[in-house]
Amino acid sequence: NAGVTQTPKFRVLKTGQSMTLLCAQDMNHEYMYWYRQDPGMGLRLIHYSVGEGTTAKGEVPDGYNVSRLKKQNFLLGLESAAPSQTSVYFCASSASSILYNEQFFGPGTRLTVL
Amino acid sequence: GESVGLHLPTLSVQEGDNSIINCAYSNSASDYFIWYKQESGKGPQFIIDIRSNMDKRQGQRVTVLLNKTVKHLSLQIAATQPGDSAVYFCAENRRDTGRRALTFGSGTRLQVQP
Repeated sequence: NAGVTQTPKFRVLKTGQSMTLLCAQDMNHEYMYWYRQDPGMGLRLIHYSVGEGTTAKGEVPDGYNVSRLKKQNFLLGLESAAPSQTSVYFCASSASSILYNEQFFGPGTRLTVL
Repeated sequence: GESVGLHLPTLSVQEGDNSIINCAYSNSASDYFIWYKQESGKGPQFIIDIRSNMDKRQGQRVTVLLNKTVKHLSLQIAATQPGDSAVYFCAENRRDTGRRALTFGSGTRLQVQP
């Protein structure tokens, strides 16, 4: 199993450009998440999904949109990139469980907005 | 606001010594905690978890202690090795959020001196 994969690994955008980050998981997990991590800080939740066709806002959703058309994929879109969105983006997935919520993370996408 | 926090941003230890990384939380609804290790350029990796009905849990060279009275948990690493050098995050999962997201602390960087 590949676990959680993310594409691309690196990207440089100009202010105002758009892009989509792709996350894929092969563990048949119900839940998927997008986080951003800024230097010297922990991860902050952008959006998450508890199942195919559903999405919800996290802690810092402004400027981002997401879609979960297939259970194994979770897409994060930036419609008009801003320098404040320069960050490392991590995708994660977890099984749906009322008992615990261990999340498995991808390797990250490093995004720079000029 | 209520959040997970860490006492020390950087911890430097000698190889072979034991390491203790601390974490405080303030939300009484938090009843499940996870420690993650993040190496440079990689996504967070699960180390160990603990539920609030436990005070202690042990893994391979790691022990997590939970003190619900003072809302504090710690990660102890025995015989610290150079490969343990990384940033360590505690994350909380709250039953009142339906277990749909983790809240991460800002992290502690562990530096192991040879």
